[in-house]
Amino acid sequence: SQQGEEDPQALSIQEGENATMNCSYKTSINNLQWYRQNSGRGLVHLILIRSNEREKHSGRLRVTLDTSKKSSSLLITASRAADTASYFCAGTNNNDMRFGAGTRLTVKP
Amino acid sequence: GAVVSQHPSWVICKSGTSVKIECRSLDFQATTMFWYRQFPKQSLMLMATSNEGSKATYEQGVEKDKFLINHASLTLSTLTVTSAHPEDSSFYICSARDRTSGRYYNEQFFGPGTRLTVL
Repeated sequence: SQQGEEDPQALSIQEGENATMNCSYKTSINNLQWYRQNSGRGLVHLILIRSNEREKHSGRLRVTLDTSKKSSSLLITASRAADTASYFCAGTNNNDMRFGAGTRLTVKP
Repeated sequence: GAVVSQHPSWVICKSGTSVKIECRSLDFQATTMFWYRQFPKQSLMLMATSNEGSKATYEQGVEKDKFLINHASLTLSTLTVTSAHPEDSSFYICSARDRTSGRYYNEQFFGPGTRLTVL
């Protein structure tokens, strides 16, 4: 089964705008990770946030985690056409890693 | 990070045949390996978890007799899709985790995926 839901399911923005994607999960986690996947390709790891962290930055990425609401958000600032991809959150516990439904992001040049 | 490879990267087979997909951890010991399946425009669904030397644990709804998993060594796991049918066509992704005390302790790394097309 999947870990949870992501919203929006699809997001279309203009280059230069910010993109915000949200993820909710069902069970308790040790950490939550965000991945990017280009069509038909493998996963690219973006960022990991631990359960005791609330916010983390990496370049143009900003991730927040609210364990009380079992939710996370990924913000991509100053988006580029090359950011067009599907983005997935994945919650990890002691046993395994489960993915959210994903958001398909399209950045128009 | 560590490297996980999969072979083949893509395979086309006839309905009714069996297909084996290999997953290797190249620079760490994968005490636990995971197999995921991804249908077009959908997310990754966990199929099964295997610990080295033990039988795999399958997720609900995944047929263990159809998807045979072998994790006989710390660097290799195989997924065999038996008597494949067109509905088994999917992107299969493996993942590996070292649950001992190695350099990549408890981190999970993904293979590049194998695209299976059953005609």
